[in-house]
Amino acid sequence: KAGVTQTPRYLIKTRGQQVTLSCSPISGHRSVSWYQQTPGQGLQFLFEYFSETQRNKGNFPGRFSGRQFSNSRSEMNVSTLELGDSALYLCATRTSGGGDTQYFGPGTRLTVL
Amino acid sequence: SQQGEEDPQALSIQEGENATMNCSYKTSINNLQWYRQNSGRGLVHLILIRSNEREKHSGRLRVTLDTSKKSSSLLITASRAADTASYFCATDDSGYSTLTFGKGTMLLVSP
Repeated sequence: KAGVTQTPRYLIKTRGQQVTLSCSPISGHRSVSWYQQTPGQGLQFLFEYFSETQRNKGNFPGRFSGRQFSNSRSEMNVSTLELGDSALYLCATRTSGGGDTQYFGPGTRLTVL
Repeated sequence: SQQGEEDPQALSIQEGENATMNCSYKTSINNLQWYRQNSGRGLVHLILIRSNEREKHSGRLRVTLDTSKKSSSLLITASRAADTASYFCATDDSGYSTLTFGKGTMLLVSP
């Protein structure tokens, strides 16, 4: 099976812009979670989608949003970018949830100038 | 907020030695997972241990879980230079898809 893919791998934006990141799960995986990783805060949960519905949400401002399509692919969007949004954004997928192993993609490195 | 706290923060050893990393957490969990991350790349899943298990092995990896002490340890035996990476423990405390990560242990294995 192909692994989790994320596009783009690298992105440079300026403050105030918006960005959309994409995650394609492993075939058969219906749950997609997003995480933000920064040197200061470490790995933090953003949100999780399952069957096109947001099932869980972390403690991030409303500028961070996401969605999931019928083929389980997911996108996350960050509007009005701030310098502090510079991070590695990781998505993780699993079959359904409930204690299964999560498989991570390679991440998207976002730099906000 | 971080649930798991890894100890030590950094570990430097020689090839062939064993590496032990510890993780403590705060709340009840369904399972605890260990991941490896090479230099800012994606996380690679190493092993999952459920709350009703005490020990698990996978190749050169051995994980223990003590729910009474809310702690886990990861032992890598006969370390190799390729094991150089950051190691994270993550707790799954809801049965849903929220993993709570610690800040990780940076392992350096010198040839």
